[in-house]
Amino acid sequence: QKEVEQNSGPLSVPEGAIASLNCTYSDRGSQSFFWYRQYSGKSPELIMSIYSNGDKEDGRFTAQLNKASQYVSLLIRDSQPSDSATYLCAVPRGRDDKIIFGKGTRLHILP
Amino acid sequence: DVKVTQSSRYLVKRTGEKVFLECVQDMDHENMFWYRQDPGLGLRLIYFSYDVKMKEKGDIPEGYSVSREKKERFSLILESASTNQTSMYLCASSLEDTRIAFFGQGTRLTVV
Repeated sequence: QKEVEQNSGPLSVPEGAIASLNCTYSDRGSQSFFWYRQYSGKSPELIMSIYSNGDKEDGRFTAQLNKASQYVSLLIRDSQPSDSATYLCAVPRGRDDKIIFGKGTRLHILP
Repeated sequence: DVKVTQSSRYLVKRTGEKVFLECVQDMDHENMFWYRQDPGLGLRLIYFSYDVKMKEKGDIPEGYSVSREKKERFSLILESASTNQTSMYLCASSLEDTRIAFFGQGTRLTVV
C-alpha cells in the first residue's frame, strides 16, 4: 500500500457545486494532515491543516479526518473557476520527520 | 511571511556536469526538504535535513547528495547530471512542531 493515495482525476465539477477530494494514508502514527493547492507551473501552497478527528472549516473549505479509517478529505463549497488546480494531500510520518505527499488530484471547475 | 528562495528558476545543464541547486529559508526552520516533481509521479522526496550537518535519505536519493552547513541553507547536488534527472525540483522547509511545509518557487532543470 502506498503511503499516501489520491485519485489522480481529473475531477470535473460545475461552478457553484461542491468539490470533494479524498486521500487515504497508511501510517497510523501520523498526527497531522495537510491539503496543498498547486496551480500549473507554480509551487504548492498550504490551504488546510487538520489534526483531530472530525471536520474543520475555513471559508469555503472543509477538511474532514477519520483516523480509524485512515482517511482525510477536502470539500470545496461554491466551487469557482479559480479553484481549478491540483490538490495535494500531505501526511508527515509519525516515526520520523519526512513529509509524504500524494500524487495529487486535478480539479477542473466547469464555468 | 515565510520565504523559501531557490537560486534559479530555470537551469539547463549538460550530461555529466556537476549541478548545484541552492535553497535558503528565512524563518529559522529546523527541517528542510528537496523534492522532485514529475508528471504522473507526484512529489518524491530526495533528501531531507532536520538539523545543521544532518541529512536523511528520502525515497529517491540515488544520483544526488546534499549539504547543510548553515541552518538557513540546504543545497542539492547532482554529482554527474543525467537526462533522467530533468525535472522540477522543489525545496521546502518546516518547523519541527507544526510540520507545515513551505515551498520555494521551484527550479526547472533540463539536462541535455
